[in-house]
Amino acid sequence: SQKIEQNSEALNIQEGKTATLTCNYTNYSPAYLQWYRQDPGRGPVFLLLIRENEKEKRKERLKVTFDTTLKQSLFHITASQPADSATYLCALDRSGGGADGLTFGKGTHLIIQP
Amino acid sequence: DAGVIQSPRHEVTEMGQEVTLRCKPISGHDYLFWYRQTMMRGLELLIYFNNNVPIDDSGMPEDRFSAKMPNASFSTLKIQPSEPRDSAVYFCASSSTGGASTEAFFGQGTRLTVV
Repeated sequence: SQKIEQNSEALNIQEGKTATLTCNYTNYSPAYLQWYRQDPGRGPVFLLLIRENEKEKRKERLKVTFDTTLKQSLFHITASQPADSATYLCALDRSGGGADGLTFGKGTHLIIQP
Repeated sequence: DAGVIQSPRHEVTEMGQEVTLRCKPISGHDYLFWYRQTMMRGLELLIYFNNNVPIDDSGMPEDRFSAKMPNASFSTLKIQPSEPRDSAVYFCASSSTGGASTEAFFGQGTRLTVV
């Protein structure tokens, strides 16, 4: 099964700077990779999905890259704001089959300081 | 649609008692998942259903855990008897494809505390 590593340490970023979060996976390269945001006391909320043949995906201030050679995805938030403070989770297919749920990383807690 | 709805939001129970968590998925979604989240282990998949049929329950920690989906709009996760180590946040999620090709929609979760 897939294993995912995210930086478990909290990431402190000054408001206005770009925050970059890392997701590394082992084993097979997935066809899709997703990023979720989770606020305290709430369920994860989907942000972006990137396919293996896409190098980069953007949505407003968010950008995701996907490097299947490095087995890594980077998640960027540009012009960060205190409201971006949350835990961000990376997710992949649980197995190569693709329809049996998601495996999640433990998430990176992002803190944007004013 | 109101999204995935879970109840209760919080549950405090004594060790040995039966606990039932409830979930209403998004209408039209063929897949329903039950996850458990703890600080130590993160989000773990317990069981999932496709068209109301349980497909994989290998994540269910023990026989004390059971899940049902009697119809497309309702699922339950039951713990009997409950133990303190079951304390966690339990999430229900639904999706149209079951994999990472489409987004999963999560409920607000049930925070379970077993004392």
